[in-house]
Amino acid sequence: IAGITQAPTSQILAAGRRMTLRCTQDMRHNAMYWYRQDLGLGLRLIHYSNTAGTTGKGEVPDGYSVSRANTDDFPLTLASAVPSQTSVYFCASSQKGTGGGYNEQFFGPGTRLTVL
Amino acid sequence: GQNIDQPTEMTATEGAIVQINCTYQTSGFNGLFWYQQHAGEAPTFLSYNVLDGLEEKGRFSSFLSRSKGYSYLLLKELQMKDSASYLCVVMDSNYQLIWGAGTKLIIKP
Repeated sequence: IAGITQAPTSQILAAGRRMTLRCTQDMRHNAMYWYRQDLGLGLRLIHYSNTAGTTGKGEVPDGYSVSRANTDDFPLTLASAVPSQTSVYFCASSQKGTGGGYNEQFFGPGTRLTVL
Repeated sequence: GQNIDQPTEMTATEGAIVQINCTYQTSGFNGLFWYQQHAGEAPTFLSYNVLDGLEEKGRFSSFLSRSKGYSYLLLKELQMKDSASYLCVVMDSNYQLIWGAGTKLIIKP
């Protein structure tokens, strides 16, 4: 693989079910991110991880959890899905820059999730 | 609060030039990115500005004025494939990214 992959591509889920969205990168980037994108709104950060073993909350973390056991994988779990979590989910990664900030983010193809 | 403003939609003609403006109010500043996103696809990186001035990359240029909290993306010699949304993104003092809602650019023949 090259870049970032996400699975599944799309999913229809019954409310109340548990779901894990998978994300894997092979660029050895230290930082990874999960966003949701809804019509008319900018990308909103759900959770992030600056390095393996650490995670942080973004703008809209409620109802979602993440883990970062290694550099490559960053799964996003919806413990009990609700219709308001219907969205397109993007995983991204970036490498920390020399100045302390982060370079541009590379995005996976996205997962379209519908919660009924 | 932190805010990014950019027009919702713009229309331009194939072969022409278009300028997409972005104004921002954020807690500190560590750079501004522009991304392109075609419908149904993931965003892809276009440019990064951290110092005032113009950065040119082929048909695309990006300008930044930190004192004015202002940037623009200039697209020259427009092609039909440039029809996409263009996202303005600011990195604040905590290195968090603040994403604009995007400008949908429609190119007409």
